[in-house]
Amino acid sequence: EDKVVQSPLSLVVHEGDTVTLNCSYEVTNFRSLLWYKQEKKAPTFLFMLTSSGIEKKSGRLSSILDKKELFSILNITATQTGDSAIYLCAVSGDSGGSNYKLTFGKGTLLTVNP
Amino acid sequence: ETGVTQTPRHLVMGMTNKKSLKCEQHLGHNAMYWYKQSAKKPLELMFVYNFKEQTENNSVPSRFSPECPNSSHLFLHLHTLQPEDSALYLCASSQETVSYEQYFGPGTRLTVT
Repeated sequence: EDKVVQSPLSLVVHEGDTVTLNCSYEVTNFRSLLWYKQEKKAPTFLFMLTSSGIEKKSGRLSSILDKKELFSILNITATQTGDSAIYLCAVSGDSGGSNYKLTFGKGTLLTVNP
Repeated sequence: ETGVTQTPRHLVMGMTNKKSLKCEQHLGHNAMYWYKQSAKKPLELMFVYNFKEQTENNSVPSRFSPECPNSSHLFLHLHTLQPEDSALYLCASSQETVSYEQYFGPGTRLTVT
């Protein structure tokens, strides 16, 4: 069974701090790893990673995948209160013939205080 | 603004009621999904439709019945639900396979009394 473990489960920082969120996974025939940000309702897509060692970057957010060690990290530099959200990690793999299944972790609740 | 809309946004229903959740995507995608999000639990995939055909039923009880009349619309019909079914129900769509990112709707907050 595919499995995604995120850590920490929650984190409280002050504005301007840098944070690193972790995601480790076990999946059959890995295809991709995705990061989402969930503020109130709908998770919004951040990154999709398929290749090891290539950093994806968007503004103050960046993410990298290590397929050998089966983990990914999401970095947020110079955090702002608007970064407060739940960050979800998900992986997809070809298990049992289904090409469409994403397995999500429980998420990391990030709170950025002013 | 999200390309995936869901109605209603909030729903309170009794255990004997029948109701339906609606999802519509305006992104030209071919795959649509229903997820359940309960407190303290990961997002759980319920159903997957690709080109209107159901390709995944993740051991969901029969009191949840999906319907996909076309690639843009997805319904979740509910009947004789239990209080433990109270959760946020999220709809998502993607271009085709899960190698493409999924775009989520705002969800329906369901409370079963």
